[in-house]
Amino acid sequence: NAGVMQNPRHLVRRRGQEARLRCSPMKGHSHVYWYRQLPEEGLKFMVYLQKENIIDESGMPKERFSAEFPKEGPSILRIQQVVRGDSAAYFCASSGLAAEYNEQFFGPGTRLTVL
Amino acid sequence: DAKTTQPPSMDCAEGRAANLPCNHSTISGNEYVYWYRQIHSQGPQYIIHGLKNNETNEMASLIITEDRKSSTLILPHATLRDTAVYYCIVRVWANNLFFGTGTRLTVIP
Repeated sequence: NAGVMQNPRHLVRRRGQEARLRCSPMKGHSHVYWYRQLPEEGLKFMVYLQKENIIDESGMPKERFSAEFPKEGPSILRIQQVVRGDSAAYFCASSGLAAEYNEQFFGPGTRLTVL
Repeated sequence: DAKTTQPPSMDCAEGRAANLPCNHSTISGNEYVYWYRQIHSQGPQYIIHGLKNNETNEMASLIITEDRKSSTLILPHATLRDTAVYYCIVRVWANNLFFGTGTRLTVIP
């Protein structure tokens, strides 16, 4: 049973370009979460999605960042017009339920470097 | 969400028990205590969670005080592979996990 898959594992972009990060949840999971981790800091929640719906985007920057989780295919975190401050590790997690407790399974992360 | 306080770092000898404390004095009655760890730069790994009773699984034990204002994660026989940053998280629903700075545990040979 494959775990959470993220690709690419490393992504280099120049300032002003777009970054697309993909996340395939574990088989059978319909809940996806995105987190960002800056160097030497803990993970910060960004957004929580279910299939075709954004449930909680309270941690998403208001501009340039968007996320989707279509009916078919992986979840996508999109960063437009990247700036150096966007350089970070972006982790995706998935869970089977959003109930009283739900263990989140994390992917290996995508390390974004903005030159 | 209740705020948690953890020591920034701890050392533990290989083969000994590692006891990682967490204070959550403002926890409310319906908030769970979750523990995750992050090994080097990998994605976080779920360890254990509990509400008010002590819990044990194949990885660790979780001891929650009777007043629920603090808890301790116990790794019974620490190995070098347990070197990681350990996060204590208090939350009603686990949908939006807040990772603080955690405790950096170093297991020493």
